[in-house]
Formats: sequence, structure tokens, C-alpha cells
Amino acid sequence: GAGVSQTPSNKVTEKGKYVELRCDPISGHTALYWYRQSLGQGPEFLIYFQGTGAADDSGLPNDRFFAVRPEGSVSTLKIQRTERGDSAVYLCASSLGVAGPGGTGTQYFGPGTRLTVL
Amino acid sequence: SQKIEQNSEALNIQEGKTATLTCNYTNYSPAYLQWYRQDPGRGPVFLLLIRENEKEKRKERLKVTFDTTLKQSLFHITASQPADSATYLCALPGYSSASKIIFGSGTRLSIRP
Repeated sequence: GAGVSQTPSNKVTEKGKYVELRCDPISGHTALYWYRQSLGQGPEFLIYFQGTGAADDSGLPNDRFFAVRPEGSVSTLKIQRTERGDSAVYLCASSLGVAGPGGTGTQYFGPGTRLTVL
Repeated sequence: SQKIEQNSEALNIQEGKTATLTCNYTNYSPAYLQWYRQDPGRGPVFLLLIRENEKEKRKERLKVTFDTTLKQSLFHITASQPADSATYLCALPGYSSASKIIFGSGTRLSIRP
């Protein structure tokens, strides 16, 4: 079946603008995660959804970042007043269940959206 | 706070040899540890999970060990092939929230023919 998809694959914007990044998880996966990855670093946790609700948003760096998942499937990461430091690859992952040693917690990642803020 | 350390220097080895990557962590006793593979321009792909009560786990040419006393995991690829060239990431569940996965910075592995 189809994997996790993310759109757009690349986004170039100017400092101060608003951007939306979209994630389509694997059908039936209740858990959805957003990460941010800078060059040479591992993915950095941003937010985790279980169904429609944000179960853990402790990784969002500040209030310019917000994410929604209104129907428990597609999620949108929204960044207001973008700054050059927001430039990174934004990764989305989904899993059948919550992360953990059980098999349902295996995360499947999308290809990411490369965001460049000029 | 939690810290995960992976060798930031790239590892270059000859095809056919065993590649060994290290993941060290501090200030934490995780219930499990994961290893992922990431190719350029792609998201990470899950490889193996090892629980705290497991010393070793194998999957085809991959072997992972987990030493909770040393706070270290070793990831081995035997009979390495050029197609194994990628960045390998280790990951742990967060201390305060198990659903929050914390990744190391990864080690880039290059296998030369």
C-alpha cells in the first residue's frame, strides 16, 4: 500500500511569511509525528498526535509553530512569521499504535519537506 | 537531560568486512532502543528494536547489542555491501514521555567495493 506522503517536497519562502506543510499518513494509522531535521543531525521531535488530539506538543520550539489533525488522518504543520533558522527538512511519521516495544509502534516516515527560508 | 551520542565521523570500510556502529546514552535507562537507516533525501527507515532485557537481537546480516550497564548499543552489519552505505541513527523513547522518540545525530557509513 501507499506509504506516508508529504507535500510539498520543497518549499522556499521569505522571512516573515506563513507556510503550511502537509502530511498524509498510512491509512488506518492512529499515531502521527512531526520531526525537524537539520543537516548532519538526527530528527528532532516536534509533536505527536493520537487520533485528532495532540498528545505531546512539547517539541514545538515556540508559538509560531502549530499543527492540526482535524479528522484524525491528514495533518498540517503551520509555521507563522518564518525565520531563517526554521530552514530544515520537516519529516512526518505515522504508526498503527503508540511508539513502544510492541510491533504496532513502528514508525513509518515520509520523504520530508525541505523548507528554505530566505 | 537525555543525551544520545553517535560517532559523528563517517565510517569507511571495505566490502565484506563487518561494520560496527556505536550509540551511547546518558542520564536515562530506556525500556528499549531502536536503529534506523536513512538514505540521502529520504526519511529514516526502521531496522531493529531491542528491549532492555535483551542482550542481542539479529535480523539477517544485522546484529544489535544493548548493554544497559555501559549505557551503550552496538550495531553490526556483517558481510557489508556497498548498498549498505547510508546514515544509521539510533533512537530512544523520551524520559518524560515514551511517545517522544529522541534520535542521535547518526553515523554515516560508506562501504567501498
